This record gives sequence, structure tokens and C-alpha cells, in this order.
Amino acid sequence: QVQLQQSGPGLVKPSQTLSLTCAISGDSVSSYGASWNWVRQSPSRGLEWLGRTYHRSKWYNEYTQFLKSRITINPDTSKNQFSLQLNSVTPEDTAVYYCARGNCDGDCQKRGAFDIWGQGTMVTVSS
Amino acid sequence: DIEMTQSPSSLSASVRDRVTITCRASQNIGYYLNWYQQEPGKAPKLLIYSASGLQSGVPSRFSGSGSGTDFTLTITSLQPEDFTTYFCQQTHSLPVTSGQGTRLEIK
Repeated sequence: QVQLQQSGPGLVKPSQTLSLTCAISGDSVSSYGASWNWVRQSPSRGLEWLGRTYHRSKWYNEYTQFLKSRITINPDTSKNQFSLQLNSVTPEDTAVYYCARGNCDGDCQKRGAFDIWGQGTMVTVSS
Repeated sequence: DIEMTQSPSSLSASVRDRVTITCRASQNIGYYLNWYQQEPGKAPKLLIYSASGLQSGVPSRFSGSGSGTDFTLTITSLQPEDFTTYFCQQTHSLPVTSGQGTRLEIK
């Protein structure tokens, strides 16, 4: 059974860096058919995809253009996890943050659908 | 970016009713459309993938259809636990985008 366990602080000061980690059990961050995504949700912006990392003979990282200058997503194969860093945060970055697996294994029947989610982390940006 | 428009934004129904939620994409996404259920305070849960594929463990009263730009989620014989929020999502192109959600309320 695949599970994602999120960790990281729930309060970040403005201009600082938001850092979250998503630990994977039951699958591998290097898995050929998976992508590892970060999504956030707020009342004002709804569900917002932030970016992903995945391995297909080499590592790929893809980000939403909106945050491209501030965001980094990194895999950690030694700990079987992946992380999110968002720099220079403002109160607009206050949201619930989720990690999620995009599934494209086998013949990619699920076409990248997010079939496994972390439990969510409420992150508040405030001094 | 592909814009996903869901309707209605809210819907009132009764137990054992049949309801349909629609999702329209701003451009052709083929079958790259997924439906999620989200209970308050919880992560979204995948119900339907690739427009019509039923995710393992999801009751058969949930079904999806459509292709291209127009999609529907149908719930037959509503159960008390179905009264929550539903989202559509496209995974055809980056950035992955979602509808604004449909809140299903008990009448």
C-alpha cells in the first residue's frame, strides 16, 4: 500500500523559505511510471499545481510558470522522499500544501492522475 | 494554461437521487480528465481517471464520461457520505489545472 507522509513547519515568516518533505512508502521516488507532485489549496486560488519531479533514465523537474523563480522540488533517493522549497514567501503563499503521486505506470492507463496524496500541511505565512 | 470550468458550483439533492456534474476544458484534452472527491479537512481522493476509469475501491455508483472538451461525473443513488465537494482536473498539459469545485449539499 503506497503512502505519502508530509512533514515540515506550519508557520513561516514573510520573506523566508517554506520547506516541506514528502516521505514515500510502498513505492520508489525513482519509479519509472510515477511523477511526484506538489499541490496547494486555498479559498482564493483553489487547487493549484506547483510542480513535479520524476525519473525517466534521468531526473526531470517541472514547475508552474507562476512560481518558477521561487520554487525547487528535489528527489532524495537515499531517503525515498522528495521536497518542496518555496523562497521569499508572502502571505499569498498561505495555503494547505499536498504532495501527490501522478500515476503513469504500465501503459499509462491513468494518464498521470493523482492517485495517492499526502495528508496535507496547513502553512501560514505570518510574522 | 488550460482552464477547467465546472458546473454547477453547488448542487442540492436528496439521498438516492442521481446527479450529474459537468466539466469543460478550454481546449481539447482527449481523455486526460480526472475526478476527485474531497471531504472537509482531507486530501482529495481520486474517483475517476482518464475520463471514465473507476479507481480501485470506489463504489460503482460513480461514473464518468466524455472526451475532448466536455466531461461529466454521474453519481447514481446518492448515499449520505457523498455529500461533499468534487473537482475535475486535467493532466493533458502543464500546468496541471483543476476546476473550481462543485459542492454537493443535502436537500
